[in-house]
Amino acid sequence: DAGVTQSPTHLIKTRGQQVTLRCSPKSGHDTVSWYQQALGQGPQFIFQYYEEEERQRGNFPDRFSGHQFPNYSSELNVNALLLGDSALYLCASGTGEAAGELFFGEGSRLTVL
Amino acid sequence: AQSVSQHNHHVILSEAASLELGCNYSYGGTVNLFWYVQYPGQHLQLLLKYFSGDPLVKGIKGFEAEFIKSKFSFNLRKPSVQWSDTAEYFCAVKGYGGSQGNLIFGKGTKLSVKP
Repeated sequence: DAGVTQSPTHLIKTRGQQVTLRCSPKSGHDTVSWYQQALGQGPQFIFQYYEEEERQRGNFPDRFSGHQFPNYSSELNVNALLLGDSALYLCASGTGEAAGELFFGEGSRLTVL
Repeated sequence: AQSVSQHNHHVILSEAASLELGCNYSYGGTVNLFWYVQYPGQHLQLLLKYFSGDPLVKGIKGFEAEFIKSKFSFNLRKPSVQWSDTAEYFCAVKGYGGSQGNLIFGKGTKLSVKP
């Protein structure tokens, strides 16, 4: 039974570029949340997707956007990258809009130069 | 806004020592509280959670936590740590809205256990 899988595991971008990160939820899960974890900090909630719609959003600018596909997988897009976007991006999946217990992936480490 | 504070950034213990990691949250209403653990090179895993009922919650691997509403605290404890407990520990509270998909995390406490 596959857990939450994320790709890529590491990537390097330059300021101003755009990035897309991908997440496949744990088998049987249908809701996906994205978190940003800066170095030395706890994860910070970006947004949650359920039924292909953004259901909740944290305090992140519109440069951060997402999508959920009919197979429940999800993408996180970040436009106009800033140095401060360098972080570990975590995907977590759960069941239903209330999510239930969250299962986390190992993350995508983004470095912006 | 809700927030979570973890008092210790780095705790170093010898094996068999007792552990208590502090966690305080800011919200005064009904709260759902969690402790997650991240072992080196692994993903975040749920240790235990509190929604209601008995304020003493038991989790996996011998961990427990006590919810004290009057102190806005949810401290994590283990009577005797092992080297394998070396990890980073995060306290979290469910954010506003009905979903547990929105969690507010503390900054984490790194635990190092010396063999």
